Amino acid sequence: EIVLTQSPGTLSLSPGERATLSCRASQSVNNNYLAWYQQKPGQAPRLLIYDASSRATGIPDRFSGSGSGTYFTLTISRLEPEDFAVYYCQQFGNSPLWTFGQGTKVEIK
Amino acid sequence: QITLKESGPTLVKPTQTLTLTCSFSGFSISTSGVGVGWIRQSPGKALEWLALIYWDNDKRYSPSLKTRLTITKDTSKNQVVLTMTNMDPVDTATYSCAHTRRYFRGSGWAYYFDYWGQGSLVTVAS
Repeated sequence: EIVLTQSPGTLSLSPGERATLSCRASQSVNNNYLAWYQQKPGQAPRLLIYDASSRATGIPDRFSGSGSGTYFTLTISRLEPEDFAVYYCQQFGNSPLWTFGQGTKVEIK
Repeated sequence: QITLKESGPTLVKPTQTLTLTCSFSGFSISTSGVGVGWIRQSPGKALEWLALIYWDNDKRYSPSLKTRLTITKDTSKNQVVLTMTNMDPVDTATYSCAHTRRYFRGSGWAYYFDYWGQGSLVTVAS
């Protein structure tokens, strides 16, 4: 069973700063089928990045994803006030078919 | 515009069966490549995928919960139903349904959850 481990658990940054979030898989992610989601309190998750580096529809270009195999990153180039949220990585294809990381909270410093 | 909404009981007793309904609009689950999945989130814990049903009625379940889950669809009603048997307090969580479709890359494809419902909080207690 594949396990996704996200780090750090919490990231304290100021608006305008760069955020780098990590997601490490316990085994290679099938075809780099990895996604990133953003979740704000009381809201449903929002798909940001899929296939490790492709932005979903309507996602600003300050969000970018990279990585392959077992190590992936989500970068927010300049944090906007609306970007403070919890971010989850998710893989498709290994067992279980869909697996999520435990999340990284990006909070205002 | 794709929307999904979960409905069902907010409180169930241990050992009971939970039945949740996902009502959706803006897409047809009979369209090739489309699916609807269920994901839950326990308080303070990570998202956990439970089950998914595809347009062709293919069904997939989380291995750890497979014996307790059943997912079905009613195409005419635009609904997907999840049942979970033998509920336990550890199953207390917000249960969400989500739309997925094929994301093609080269000769392959993946499925990601691109539209989600708001979720339905289910508490398991006697």
